This record gives sequence, C-alpha cells and structure tokens, in this order.
Amino acid sequence: KQEVTQIPAALSVPEGENLVLNCSFTDSAIYNLQWFRQDPGKGLTSLLLIQSSQREQTSGRLNASLDKSSGRSTLYIAASQPGDSATYLCAVEGSNYKLTFGKGTLLTVNP
Amino acid sequence: DAGVIQSPRHEVTEMGQEVTLRCKPISGHNSLFWYRQTMMRGLELLIYFNNNVPIDDSGMPEDRFSAKMPNASFSTLKIQPSEPRDSAVYFCASSSPSGRAAYEQYFGPGTRLTVT
Repeated sequence: KQEVTQIPAALSVPEGENLVLNCSFTDSAIYNLQWFRQDPGKGLTSLLLIQSSQREQTSGRLNASLDKSSGRSTLYIAASQPGDSATYLCAVEGSNYKLTFGKGTLLTVNP
Repeated sequence: DAGVIQSPRHEVTEMGQEVTLRCKPISGHNSLFWYRQTMMRGLELLIYFNNNVPIDDSGMPEDRFSAKMPNASFSTLKIQPSEPRDSAVYFCASSSPSGRAAYEQYFGPGTRLTVT
C-alpha cells in the first residue's frame, strides 16, 4: 500500500527566504507526482505535475524535483512571499489511477 | 472555464437524513474523482469514474455511500443514512488524458458536510 509522508508538517519563514518542502513515498511504481496548494477553507490548486519519466518541473518561483528510485520529491519555493502561505500537499498516482496524498506542510511566510 | 463546480458548498443535516452532493466536472474531462478530507485521515479517494463508468469504488467506506455519473457533465455522491462520523469536506476533481495539462486533477471548492 502506497504511503506518502511530508516533512516538515509545518514551517514558518520570513519573507524573501528560499525554502524546500519534502515528500517521500514508499512505492516507486508511480505514474506521476503532483504538488497542490490548499488555502484555508478552499479546494486544492494544482501547482506542478511531474511525470514518472521526468526529473523536474518549473513554474515561476516554484521548482519540483522527482527521484523516483529513492521515492523522494522536493518543492523549492524561491523568494517566498506572504501570499505563499498555505498548506502544500504532495500526491502520487499509481497504476490504479489513485492519487495518494500526504498530510501536507503548513507554510507560513511572515512579512 | 468555470472549473469544477460543486453544490452545495455547505450542508448541515441531522443524523439519519439522506445527503446528496453534486459535481459538474470541467467540460471535456473524462475522469472524475470523489475525495473526502478530514483532519484525522487527510485526503482519501472514495471513487473514480472514467467515461462515466465507475472504475474503482474501493474507497467508499460502506454501503451507506453511493455515487452515480449519469452523463459526462454531472455526478452525485449520496449518503443514506448519514452519521456524525461522515462530517468532512467532500471534494470532486476531474482530469483529461490529453492536452498540456494531461492527467492533472482539478479540484472543486468542496462541500463541507456537518452531520449532527
């Protein structure tokens, strides 16, 4: 059974700092890995999707990497801003089309 | 593009009542997913439809839960009878196997269900 772990569970940083969120998964047989953002009381917004054959994806200040063999992914946020404050969720898709989610990292960026 | 639409946004009901949650996926998407989010268990997949056909319902917690997708633009998740432990946020998501955003799941705003 796939298990996804996100570390740290919560992170507080000053504005402007670069930061890294970590995601690990137990079964490396995945089709893709997706990072989401969730604001309080809201739905999930897809940030980046990395196919299993890819090693990284970039969108603006966000860069996500994938090391499938070791079961790890990182989300790098450059020059963090207060508007980046949210919960960030990592999810992996297996052969059964199911997305298995981690519990998320609650990020607070202080002005 | 209106995104995934869910209704109602909030539902408060008494134990034993029937609850119906509704979802309209993004036009052109052929996969639809129902999720449940709680503090204790996080996000869990309940059921997955492809081309309106239920493919995997192994996440449906018990027989009180049922889901239908009568056409490509509408799905329902029904709980009958509801129980307090069903209180959660229920999300619907859709995806497409083609295009630049192939396989990315797009989530609706969710329905916050409270069963008293």
